[in-house]
Amino acid sequence: AQTIHQWPVAEIKAVGSPLSLGCTIKGKSSPNLYWYWQATGGTLQQLFYSITVGQVESVVQLNLSASRPKDDQFILSTEKLLLSHSGFYLCAWSLWDNNQAPLFGEGTRLSVL
Amino acid sequence: AQSVTQPDARVTVSEGASLQLRCKYSYFGTPYLFWYVQYPRQGLQLLLKYYPGDPVVQGVNGFEAEFSKSNSSFHLRKASVHWSDWAVYFCAVIKVSGSFNKLTFGAGTRLAVCP
Repeated sequence: AQTIHQWPVAEIKAVGSPLSLGCTIKGKSSPNLYWYWQATGGTLQQLFYSITVGQVESVVQLNLSASRPKDDQFILSTEKLLLSHSGFYLCAWSLWDNNQAPLFGEGTRLSVL
Repeated sequence: AQSVTQPDARVTVSEGASLQLRCKYSYFGTPYLFWYVQYPRQGLQLLLKYYPGDPVVQGVNGFEAEFSKSNSSFHLRKASVHWSDWAVYFCAVIKVSGSFNKLTFGAGTRLAVCP
């Protein structure tokens, strides 16, 4: 069975510090991958989408970047955190054939102080 | 561009009562629609999905949803609510353009269940 794992579970970081969040999908080859951001109590905003290794499409950047170094790995990062980066980051995957429902990981809670 | 509207930010129902959570979508073409649930401090779980076909779709835990093209709606229903249904519910529509997928969510509806 396929599993999706996000790390870390939670982070507390200082403004201006770097950030790297990760997501790994096991048990499924060539998944479509998504990064989402959720403000506290808010809706979900798609940040990035990747269909294959090395290919990442940006939806809303928010001074963040994403990379897909391996087929099963999706990384979200920034060199300088802002207060506005606080929130809940969710990774999701779907089957390679489009229109399939994305399935989400447990998320990473980020607090920027 | 596609969009989803969930007009009710909060809904309160008594345990055992029936439930309807509303969702209106805007999409050019045939939409693929989903309902997700988010329990406190957790990720999203897929409740059900609509692909073109039968307008009534069944999901997990007794949930179902009905698609209406004429009303641009995809309302979620449950016959008898349980206290464990206390959560936030999101409606979403997916748009596929070539090699790019965009999943757009509504603002969510917070469901509270009274004893």
